[in-house]
Amino acid sequence: AQSVTQLGSHVSVSEGALVLLRCNYSSSVPPYLFWYVQYPNQGLQLLLKYTTGATLVKGINGFEAEFKKSETSFHLTKPSAHMSDAAEYFCAVINTDKLIFGTGTRLQVFP
Amino acid sequence: DARVTQTPRHKVTEMGQEVTMRCQPILGHNTVFWYRQTMMQGLELLAYFRNRAPLDDSGMPKDRFSAEMPDATLATLKIQPSEPRDSAVYFCASGSGTSYLNEQFFGPGTRLTVL
Repeated sequence: AQSVTQLGSHVSVSEGALVLLRCNYSSSVPPYLFWYVQYPNQGLQLLLKYTTGATLVKGINGFEAEFKKSETSFHLTKPSAHMSDAAEYFCAVINTDKLIFGTGTRLQVFP
Repeated sequence: DARVTQTPRHKVTEMGQEVTMRCQPILGHNTVFWYRQTMMQGLELLAYFRNRAPLDDSGMPKDRFSAEMPDATLATLKIQPSEPRDSAVYFCASGSGTSYLNEQFFGPGTRLTVL
């Protein structure tokens, strides 16, 4: 069965610094991978998704993720953090027609 | 601005009481999902519907939980009787088409506290 593991439940960065949120997947078939963001007291919002094709996927708010089959990874990055990026981020994979979410990474951004 | 709406946003109830949570999917969306979020378990899929028909409710405790779609504009999740372990945030999401690859749009959630 497909699953994802998010490394690091909390990540703290300074404003303007690189954001790197890690996600590794386990899948016996080519995976479909997603990143969602959850702002405080809100539902989840899709940041980006990888299905097929280009392995570098660009999403909203300046985020991007790269699918690396050799490393079974789908890490989320943003070159320069903004205060408004503070939120919880979830990696997810499709498993037999269902979205399976990771445990989430809370991103803190310090001025 | 189309969005998923959920009511109530907060619910505090006592153990043993019935709880009903409602969701209005985005107009035109034909797929509705119910998720539960807790600190311990994270985000779990409870059930989902397509064209108002239940496709999968394997994530839902059958003895006390029930999910329905009386019509295309309303989805309900009921817990009867409620227990303290049901305390969580319950999210509804809707999507269009027949593929899980399509984006799911989440509502703001119902925060349930069972005392």
